[in-house]
Amino acid sequence: DIQLTQSPSFLSASVGDRVTITCRASQGISNSLAWYQQKPGKAPKLLIYAASTLQSGVPSRFSGSGSGTEFTLTISSLQPEDFATYYCQQLNSYLWTFGQGTKVEIK
Amino acid sequence: EVQLVESGGGLVQPGGSLRLSCAASGFSFSSYWMNWVRQAPGKGLEWVANIKQDGSENYYVDSVKGRFTISRDDAMNSLYLQMNSLRAEDTAVYYCARRKRYCNSVSCPGGLDYWGQGTLVTVSS
Repeated sequence: DIQLTQSPSFLSASVGDRVTITCRASQGISNSLAWYQQKPGKAPKLLIYAASTLQSGVPSRFSGSGSGTEFTLTISSLQPEDFATYYCQQLNSYLWTFGQGTKVEIK
Repeated sequence: EVQLVESGGGLVQPGGSLRLSCAASGFSFSSYWMNWVRQAPGKGLEWVANIKQDGSENYYVDSVKGRFTISRDDAMNSLYLQMNSLRAEDTAVYYCARRKRYCNSVSCPGGLDYWGQGTLVTVSS
């Protein structure tokens, strides 16, 4: 099975900060990676698919990059509504896995 | 408007069974792969199972193989998860989710673009 490791697991940042979250895969997955945002008590929301394509309706301050085994999610200027937990997900095969999550909190 | 509404969760004893349902509306249900994803209390997301448009293929995470069965009824626009031999570690919110229709020449890395609100399954004596 393909394992995903996110770093950091916890991040404290201020409004306006540039934030980067990394997701590493245990083997190459080309661009078969998605990113989600989840707020407490809510279902996850798709932000990025195919590693770097912004889902419709998602603000342009979110961006994704990477291929193979290393991927990043960047928030260019953190907004109050962005404080949440972020997950990566690999879709390389029919057996999918998520990263363990990165919680972004207010400094 | 795309909507996914789960039902069927509740409290069940270890070794018991439960059937979850997901009612879909606002899109052509028969045209999409569908998924179940769960989240244990205070924990991260875990993909559980998925099923192809015509039901001819399905896949499961190792921890539920042989115990859970995913199925669909396209005439009813509904997705199901039959859960048998339940264990305490199956306690979670279970989400129904649609796989985005996006494929390139190599794979289909579209992710899960619509999710239900989730239904809580608690396995406890």
